[in-house]
Amino acid sequence: KNEVEQSPQNLTAQEGEFITINCSYSVGISALHWLQQHPGGGIVSLFMLSSGKKKHGRLIATINIQEKHSSLHITASHPRDSAVYICAVPPSRGSQGNLIFGKGTKLSVKP
Amino acid sequence: KAGVTQTPRYLIKTRGQQVTLSCSPISGHRSVSWYQQTPGQGLQFLFEYFSETQRNKGNFPGRFSGRQFSNSRSEMNVSTLELGDSALYLCASGHYPETQYFGPGTRLLVL
Repeated sequence: KNEVEQSPQNLTAQEGEFITINCSYSVGISALHWLQQHPGGGIVSLFMLSSGKKKHGRLIATINIQEKHSSLHITASHPRDSAVYICAVPPSRGSQGNLIFGKGTKLSVKP
Repeated sequence: KAGVTQTPRYLIKTRGQQVTLSCSPISGHRSVSWYQQTPGQGLQFLFEYFSETQRNKGNFPGRFSGRQFSNSRSEMNVSTLELGDSALYLCASGHYPETQYFGPGTRLLVL
């Protein structure tokens, strides 16, 4: 069974700070997803990546397949970035399901 | 293009009752996945439907069931509700393992 660990659980930052959220998983995967969930509950898919790095605006996601680790970076953070960030990976081969989710990192950016 | 819609948005039921939730995917998407989110367990995969067939199932009891119609709309049903079924139920459309587009969710409270 693939296990997903995220750190930190909670993160408070001042506006403008550089943010890093980490995700580790236990079983080799084909791709990893980063999701953003706002207080109202809606989830937005930010990235799906299988190698290297992807960038979208101020968000950067990296993955190291050998080390089974991914990071989500936010540059020049803004209060509107306040949300829960969740990483998700496929289950291990032979397991049921389509995604295993981390517990999430709750980010609060203060003005 | 309209996003994923879910109805109802909020629901209150009592133990022992049953409930049906509905999800309309983005036009053209044939895959619909359902997820349960609780404070204790986080996000968990329920099932995935593709072209009216259940393609994948998570580790939930048989009280949780679903179906998909020819127009790709999907419903999930929970029978004999328990207090622990109180959760946010999310559906997502898009072909796994590609990017999934999430609906706003149905918040179910079981009393």
